[in-house]
Amino acid sequence: GNSVTQMEGPVTLSEEAFLTINCTYTATGYPSLFWYVQYPGEGLQLLLKATKADDKGSNKGFEATYRKETTSFHLEKGSVQVSDSAVYFCALSVTETGANNLFFGTGTRLTVIP
Amino acid sequence: KAGVTQTPRYLIKTRGQQVTLSCSPISGHRSVSWYQQTPGQGLQFLFEYFSETQRNKGNFPGRFSGRQFSNSRSEMNVSTLELGDSALYLCASSARLAGGHEQFFGPGTRLTVL
Repeated sequence: GNSVTQMEGPVTLSEEAFLTINCTYTATGYPSLFWYVQYPGEGLQLLLKATKADDKGSNKGFEATYRKETTSFHLEKGSVQVSDSAVYFCALSVTETGANNLFFGTGTRLTVIP
Repeated sequence: KAGVTQTPRYLIKTRGQQVTLSCSPISGHRSVSWYQQTPGQGLQFLFEYFSETQRNKGNFPGRFSGRQFSNSRSEMNVSTLELGDSALYLCASSARLAGGHEQFFGPGTRLTVL
């Protein structure tokens, strides 16, 4: 089946620290991979995506590379800010099905302290 | 462009009642998906509509139903509410049906069942 396994949280970092949130997946087809972010009291916002192997998605200093050989899509940021505090979700959709539905990981809560 | 809007934002119901939630997608988007978010189960896909037809359905009981209108607005209905239906219900719209395309999420409707 289709599933996403995401690093358990919560994660607490000091400002300017390096961030890695691990994400691995299993998929029946050829997936597209996403990272969504949810700020308190809000819906989900797309942070970045990659639709084929070796693609790197990037946005706002965050990066993730689609690694087919390790079925991974780890999220990284070189220097986090207090404003990055949020819950991060790794997700996939399977392109061949012609449907949009996303399979989400459990989410990782990140808190950045000054 | 206005984003995805969901009404109402908050709702309190009692067990056994039914509830209808509404979602207006981004103008021009024809795909609308619904997700349930709970602390225990995380984000789970409910169903997806495209051009007024249900294209995909998650693993939820028949008490959960939905529909889409010709203007792409969508409603979901939950009948015979149970305590476990308390959740944040998120709606997402997309321009196209195929996977890999970005889904834009609304702020959600927080349903509390007493």
